[in-house]
Amino acid sequence: QKEVEQDPGPLSVPEGAIVSLNCTYSNSAFQYFMWYRQYSRKGPELLMYTYSSGNKEDGRFTAQVDKSSKYISLFIRDSQPSDSATYLCATLNAGGTSYGKLTFGQGTILTVHP
Amino acid sequence: NAGVTQTPKFQVLKTGQSMTLQCAQDMNHEYMSWYRQDPGMGLRLIHYSVGAGITDQGEVPNGYNVSRSTTEDFPLRLLSAAPSQTSVYFCAGGGGANEKLFFGSGTQLSVL
Repeated sequence: QKEVEQDPGPLSVPEGAIVSLNCTYSNSAFQYFMWYRQYSRKGPELLMYTYSSGNKEDGRFTAQVDKSSKYISLFIRDSQPSDSATYLCATLNAGGTSYGKLTFGQGTILTVHP
Repeated sequence: NAGVTQTPKFQVLKTGQSMTLQCAQDMNHEYMSWYRQDPGMGLRLIHYSVGAGITDQGEVPNGYNVSRSTTEDFPLRLLSAAPSQTSVYFCAGGGGANEKLFFGSGTQLSVL
């Protein structure tokens, strides 16, 4: 079993829809949680970053972490065609020696059609 | 400020050939890493470095070699290419207190 599981989709939604992307993880030592967005033929770019449980909002994007259930979510409100990309969740152990060593989910392919 | 730069963007090799994927960064990151991305597998860590002269293995290091002689450069060497190494390779820099990684644009490698 992978340490981070993510539904690969693909997910197709109409413009303006609310999108929910989800990951589960198994290692309770993970304390840093990230979402990366990757456009076709590009490198991943950091979208959201959270530490421990709770919500973080940035414009149309909300990242949610529930450590009790080991569940990570990304919500996109008023989705736009420009949001079409692969979304990858990632986690990091709180230990200092793990710098740069992220564990990624498989990625979810999202298409927002006009 | 170019960030993390990878070359080449595309490469085709024959089985058994060797080559080096180049990665350079101008953001003064101490930490650099190499990932490979395969369909359905997400990003998997190959090797990483926490500073010049210091490297360590990640999740899938077999068949790859790295060195870190300067802060700026972190090349990845394929010793004897195999079809199983067909993948997209990403170099990343970063890892300060907030653990934010910045990725290069990737190298698409095909081994025939």
